[in-house]
Amino acid sequence: GQNIDQPTEMTATEGAIVQINCTYQTSGFNGLFWYQQHAGEAPTFLSYNVLDGLEEKGRFSSFLSRSKGYSYLLLKELQMKDSASYLCAVRGEAAGNKLTFGGGTRVLVKP
Amino acid sequence: DSGVTQTPKHLITATGQRVTLRCSPRSGDLSVYWYQQSLDQGLQFLIQYYNGEERAKGNILERFSAQQFPDLHSELNLSSLELGDSALYFCASSVGGMIKETQYFGPGTRLLVL
Repeated sequence: GQNIDQPTEMTATEGAIVQINCTYQTSGFNGLFWYQQHAGEAPTFLSYNVLDGLEEKGRFSSFLSRSKGYSYLLLKELQMKDSASYLCAVRGEAAGNKLTFGGGTRVLVKP
Repeated sequence: DSGVTQTPKHLITATGQRVTLRCSPRSGDLSVYWYQQSLDQGLQFLIQYYNGEERAKGNILERFSAQQFPDLHSELNLSSLELGDSALYFCASSVGGMIKETQYFGPGTRLLVL
């Protein structure tokens, strides 16, 4: 089976940095995705990691350690519009392309 | 805008009824995925189709079925609806369903079963 854990909620101040952790246990591993989802809207793709290390994309960075079953999403220079849920998703077995999602971390950015 | 379209946007129906949700993938995408998102369950994978054929199955109830048509649009059929089926249903698409591909999500259909 697959198990993905991430904190339920985090609060941070505008302009600050927040790190959202995700730990996973899966049968097989074929990549980890981060999506952003505003309430009632579609998830939008943020980043993809399949090899160990840091991927940087503007204000967002994502890190992966396959041996530890661990990833984090780093949001820098927080803006009010970054208030959303951040979903960690893992692609496990090779059959198909299905993603298993964590419960999401709701980030609240305060002025 | 991801390029994935879903209709209807909202659906209100009664227990025991049957509904059909429709999804059109991004232009050129061959794979379609269906997900259910309820408040207490998070985003759950239901089923994947690739070029008309079922490719992978998740936690899809027997009361639910899906298909992908020759023009690549997909429909998710939900029957004998129960209160617990109230949720957001998302469709996503990707180019070919291969390992490294990103899935792009549609705006969702919000289903309310009364």
